[in-house]
Amino acid sequence: KQEVTQIPAALSVPEGENLVLNCSFTDSAIYNLQWFRQDPGKGLTSLLLIQSSQREQTSGRLNASLDKSSGRSTLYIAASQPGDSATYLCALPAGGTSYGKLTFGQGTILTVHP
Amino acid sequence: DAEITQSPRHKITETGRQVTLACHQTWNHNNMFWYRQDLGHGLRLIHYSYGVQDTNKGEVSDGYSVSRSNTEDLPLTLESAASSQTSVYFCASSPGRGTGNEQFFGPGTRLTVL
Repeated sequence: KQEVTQIPAALSVPEGENLVLNCSFTDSAIYNLQWFRQDPGKGLTSLLLIQSSQREQTSGRLNASLDKSSGRSTLYIAASQPGDSATYLCALPAGGTSYGKLTFGQGTILTVHP
Repeated sequence: DAEITQSPRHKITETGRQVTLACHQTWNHNNMFWYRQDLGHGLRLIHYSYGVQDTNKGEVSDGYSVSRSNTEDLPLTLESAASSQTSVYFCASSPGRGTGNEQFFGPGTRLTVL
């Protein structure tokens, strides 16, 4: 059974810092990994989908990397802003598929203070 | 724009009542999912469907049912609501088999069972 762990559980940084969120998984036979953002009381917003054939995926100030062999993904946020404050979740399709139900990590709660 | 909607957004009901939560997507996606989110448990899969007339149980399916009569809708029914089913419910969809299956989430339904 795939297990997904996110470290740290919470992170507080001053505005402008570059930061890294970590996601590790136990089964490296994956096709892709997805990063989400969730604001308090809101739904999940997809940030990036990174395929197993890719090593990196970028969207604006966000950069996600994936290392299947070591069972790790990182989400890099450049020049953080207070508007980046949210919970960040990583998730992987279960059962060795590319399209199936997702297994989620517990999330990293990010606070960026002015 | 294509989207995924859920209704109602908030619901209060009594123990023992039958409740149906609606999920509608306009992307013409084959895959649809229902998750619940609880403090301390994260996001857990309830039921999912890979196409019309296809339904499957997730890890916390007891007391819930779904049916898929068309591509756009996957209603979730609580047969006899229990206090343990107080939660936030999220519906999601993704295109189907193959790579690049980014999953998109609805805004959620907050259900309280008294």
